[in-house]
Amino acid sequence: NAGVTQTPKFQVLKTGQSMTLQCAQDMNHEYMSWYRQDPGMGLRLIHYSVGAGITDQGEVPNGYNVSRSTTEDFPLRLLSAAPSQTSVYFCASSWTGLSSYEQYFGPGTRLTVT
Amino acid sequence: GIQVEQSPPDLILQEGANSTLRCNFSDSVNNLQWFHQNPWGQLINLFYIPSGTKQNGRLSATTVATERYSLLYISSSQTTDSGVYFCAATTSGTYKYIFGTGTRLKVLA
Repeated sequence: NAGVTQTPKFQVLKTGQSMTLQCAQDMNHEYMSWYRQDPGMGLRLIHYSVGAGITDQGEVPNGYNVSRSTTEDFPLRLLSAAPSQTSVYFCASSWTGLSSYEQYFGPGTRLTVT
Repeated sequence: GIQVEQSPPDLILQEGANSTLRCNFSDSVNNLQWFHQNPWGQLINLFYIPSGTKQNGRLSATTVATERYSLLYISSSQTTDSGVYFCAATTSGTYKYIFGTGTRLKVLA
């Protein structure tokens, strides 16, 4: 199993550009989520999904869109990038059975917006 | 929502020393994880421990859910233990994991 994969590893955008960060998992996990990590800080939840076709907002959803058309993929879209979105982005996945779950993280995407 | 606080924020150890990291949470939790973020930024799962005690080699963890805290013990520390340690928790009825701000550990040779 590849686990949770993310592409690209690094990205530089100009203010106002759009892009999609890709996340995929091959563990058949129902739950997937996106976090951002700013320097010296913990991770903050952006959006999450409990299954295909179901998404919801986390702590810091503004400026980001998500959709979940398959169990495997959960892309994160930045519609109009801003310097405040410079961060490292992590995707995670887990089972959701029996009201308990353990998350597994991808390697991250380092995004710089100039 | 739930608040997750970690202490100490920074810790410097000599190789071979033991340490205890603490995670306090403001509400009862039904999921709790400890992670190690290595110097390359990778998040490594250490423990999934909503209650009780677990051990894995030199590391062990204890969560006392009724008193709203969890402890991570590192014994005989090695330089490869350096990095940031995070705890993250969810409360009943939600899938949203909330992270603490981490403990930054540096182990000196």
